[in-house]
Amino acid sequence: EVQLVESGGGLVKPGGSLRLSCAASGFTFSGYSMNWVRQAPGKGLEWVSIIDSSGSYKFYAGSLSGRFTISRDNAKNSLFLQMNSLTTEDTAVYFCAKSQRGESPDFWGQGTLVTVSS
Amino acid sequence: DIQMTQSPSSLSASVGDRVTITCRASQDIRNDLGWYQQKPGKAPKRLIYAASSLQSGVPSRFSGSGSGTEFTLTISSLQPEDFATYYCLQHNSFPRTFGGGTKVEIK
Repeated sequence: EVQLVESGGGLVKPGGSLRLSCAASGFTFSGYSMNWVRQAPGKGLEWVSIIDSSGSYKFYAGSLSGRFTISRDNAKNSLFLQMNSLTTEDTAVYFCAKSQRGESPDFWGQGTLVTVSS
Repeated sequence: DIQMTQSPSSLSASVGDRVTITCRASQDIRNDLGWYQQKPGKAPKRLIYAASSLQSGVPSRFSGSGSGTEFTLTISSLQPEDFATYYCLQHNSFPRTFGGGTKVEIK
């Protein structure tokens, strides 16, 4: 059974940092690109970032202004999102999702909530 | 960035109704589009990939069509479990972009 389990969310003050993790199981993790997508409370879906299967290529939403860094550890079947200089606008549920190269994400985790507030 | 304009933003429909949701891309994205269903507090679930291919396990009342800049998700006979919010996503270029969503509510 495919599983993606996000963790690392929580309450952080503006200007702070947080590192999200996504633990994958039930599929060949090293064969898939991985995405982060977020959803602010009561809002729509916003694509955040993608990393290819080997970790060689990474793309980000332009709105992030270089504050977020995606990475992965294929030996540990894990995906990460390092988030720095957080603002209240980053408050959202963050989902990880897997995708075949060049395809739309086909399976999503349940998400982890990040709240940025003083 | 490619803009995805989804319409309507919400609709009210009855069980058994035929429902159509549209996404328009700001430039040609070939058939690089997926449709997702999301229920409150849950992760999105992919219904359609490559604009018109039905995801395994998804009921056949869901269908997708279109290519280039105009895309449609159709639910042929709305069922109680279909009341949810639907999103399109283009994966033709980076950054990936979602439509604004369509909330399907009970009439």
